[in-house]
Amino acid sequence: GIQVEQSPPDLILQEGANSTLRCNFSDSVNNLQWFHQNPWGQLINLFYIPSGTKQNGRLSATTVATERYSLLYISSSQTTDSGVYFCAVAPGGADGLTFGKGTHLIIQP
Amino acid sequence: NAGVTQTPKFQVLKTGQSMTLQCAQDMNHNSMYWYRQDPGMGLRLIYYSASEGTTDKGEVPNGYNVSRLNKREFSLRLESAAPSQTSVYFCASQLYSLSPYEQYFGPGTRLTVT
Repeated sequence: GIQVEQSPPDLILQEGANSTLRCNFSDSVNNLQWFHQNPWGQLINLFYIPSGTKQNGRLSATTVATERYSLLYISSSQTTDSGVYFCAVAPGGADGLTFGKGTHLIIQP
Repeated sequence: NAGVTQTPKFQVLKTGQSMTLQCAQDMNHNSMYWYRQDPGMGLRLIYYSASEGTTDKGEVPNGYNVSRLNKREFSLRLESAAPSQTSVYFCASQLYSLSPYEQYFGPGTRLTVT
């Protein structure tokens, strides 16, 4: 099956800093999603981005499908950005997602 | 729209007991999924239902059964719970088997087996 690797595993930043999270995957995909799992365990959809670039406020994401990686950018971090960020991929169709192990982000005031 | 709902939110079982986790979605989605999340890990697929009337095994199906009751509801059953099944269980749904393939997740059920 598809392998997903996320880096870094842990990241501690001060409020206001910018960060880049990376997701590498081992095969072609037609579904790539970024999620934020907040401290209460809820999974929040950030981006559906199998290719290209999208922006939503302080967050943006880029997927380079031909090189099998995706990047999530967080600018001007806030304490509410803390939590775990997951990248998940699937070949397409109704296939289930394969998740990476996540990046644990802590934003300190 | 409530989106994807799951019941119960929390459950404690003794080894050998059985229970059913319920999932429902009101988005008229075709496909539904059950995942589990263990501490420090990403989610892993247990079972999925691509469309009403079909179910398929995922990465970690042992010890579980599923039922796609209708288009809205997809249940996960533990026949004889084991401590290794202590986990957080998430249900998800997806609109089509054609693009876009975006999945939406419920709030999770935290299960402890003693």
